[in-house]
Amino acid sequence: GAVVSQHPSWVICKSGTSVKIECRSLDFQATTMFWYRQFPKQSLMLMATSNEGSKATYEQGVEKDKFLINHASLTLSTLTVTSAHPEDSSFYICSARDPSGYAFGYTFGSGTRLTVV
Amino acid sequence: DAKTTQPTSMDCAEGRAANLPCNHSTISGNEYVYWYRQIHSQGPQYIIHGLKNNETNEMASLIITEDRKSSTLILPHATLRDTAVYYCIVRAANTGNQFYFGTGTSLTVIP
Repeated sequence: GAVVSQHPSWVICKSGTSVKIECRSLDFQATTMFWYRQFPKQSLMLMATSNEGSKATYEQGVEKDKFLINHASLTLSTLTVTSAHPEDSSFYICSARDPSGYAFGYTFGSGTRLTVV
Repeated sequence: DAKTTQPTSMDCAEGRAANLPCNHSTISGNEYVYWYRQIHSQGPQYIIHGLKNNETNEMASLIITEDRKSSTLILPHATLRDTAVYYCIVRAANTGNQFYFGTGTSLTVIP
């Protein structure tokens, strides 16, 4: 089945630095990928929709200049958290839609645990 | 996409069937019911989906009421590894739209 790989699985960075998270579709091409953020004991919150070859679409309240999304190829989307602060510490998850999959369902990555110190 | 309502938490004895309900009274005719689960600190995992007929796969069964306003996910023989948060999501299938997650049901399987 469709596999989505996220890297790194966890990262610790200093406050004020930037960190990049990669999301890859391993065995299918994804023109659209999605980025979610999850705080402890909360549900997944959609941050943005990443579109190959065009600008990402951000959900209301998500700062596009802080969370930079690049979807340069059909198998790779990246999320860069710029000038990270402790409140950005969270679990970041990406997903992608495999057009040949079940009823246009989605496959999720294993997530990236970001800790900003 | 239609909103869903699920109980916050449930317990189930190991080896017994776990029945997780979901209300989606505002579901539209072209919206499917999807179930995902999330084991702690992992990404969500697809379980099953359906439109109006009951569905079964190797993981679970999905029972959808005739009026489609509610559904039940059944794990026939729950194991400790089924302890997770279960999300019921309704969404039109033939779009590139996102999945919006509700609060889900935290299922604890008890030895």
